[in-house]
Amino acid sequence: AQTVTQSQPEMSVQEAETVTLSCTYDTSESNYYLFWYKQPPSRQMILVIRQEAYKQQNATENRFSVNFQKAAKSFSLKISDSQLGDTAMYFCAFMNSGGYQKVTFGTGTKLQVIP
Amino acid sequence: ETGVTQTPRHLVMGMTNKKSLKCEQHLGHNAMYWYKQSAKKPLELMFVYNFKEQTENNSVPSRFSPECPNSSHLFLHLHTLQPEDSALYLCASSKEGQLTYEQYFGPGTRLTVT
Repeated sequence: AQTVTQSQPEMSVQEAETVTLSCTYDTSESNYYLFWYKQPPSRQMILVIRQEAYKQQNATENRFSVNFQKAAKSFSLKISDSQLGDTAMYFCAFMNSGGYQKVTFGTGTKLQVIP
Repeated sequence: ETGVTQTPRHLVMGMTNKKSLKCEQHLGHNAMYWYKQSAKKPLELMFVYNFKEQTENNSVPSRFSPECPNSSHLFLHLHTLQPEDSALYLCASSKEGQLTYEQYFGPGTRLTVT
């Protein structure tokens, strides 16, 4: 069974600074997908960024980028120029590509952006 | 808004009550999911439906009973719940074959069992 570990329950960052959220996972699969989801306070969870394991290039979405280290099974999220709206719970998630859309989530990191 | 709605947003029920949670998506998706979100725990996948057929039951107690009458609607029927069932219940949907495999989440129903 796959597991996803987020070792930072809470983090804080000053507005306009950069912060990195860590995520490690365990799998015996060679092809899979990794995701970062964001859940703002009292709001719906939305996808932030996605990485296909077969792609060596790290995914980037505006201020959000990932550092995908397949051999180390590490998938960290970097948020540049942090904004107050980035305050949220961030969940790392894993999905096998061949199986059904069964996603395994981590426990989440609560990020607070400080003005 | 993600296009996935859930009602009610908050629910308080006694252990002997029967209630239902409703989820609706207008995204043309064919797969729908129920998750349980408890504090300091990973999201727990409960049920998966694909084209109205249940494809996953993650060892969920029988006091939770899902129903998927069509690809746009998903229900979770609750009866004789326990206090430890208090949690945020999230519904999600996705489109099979979609390259992104992104799941779209509803706002959740905050359930309190007294």
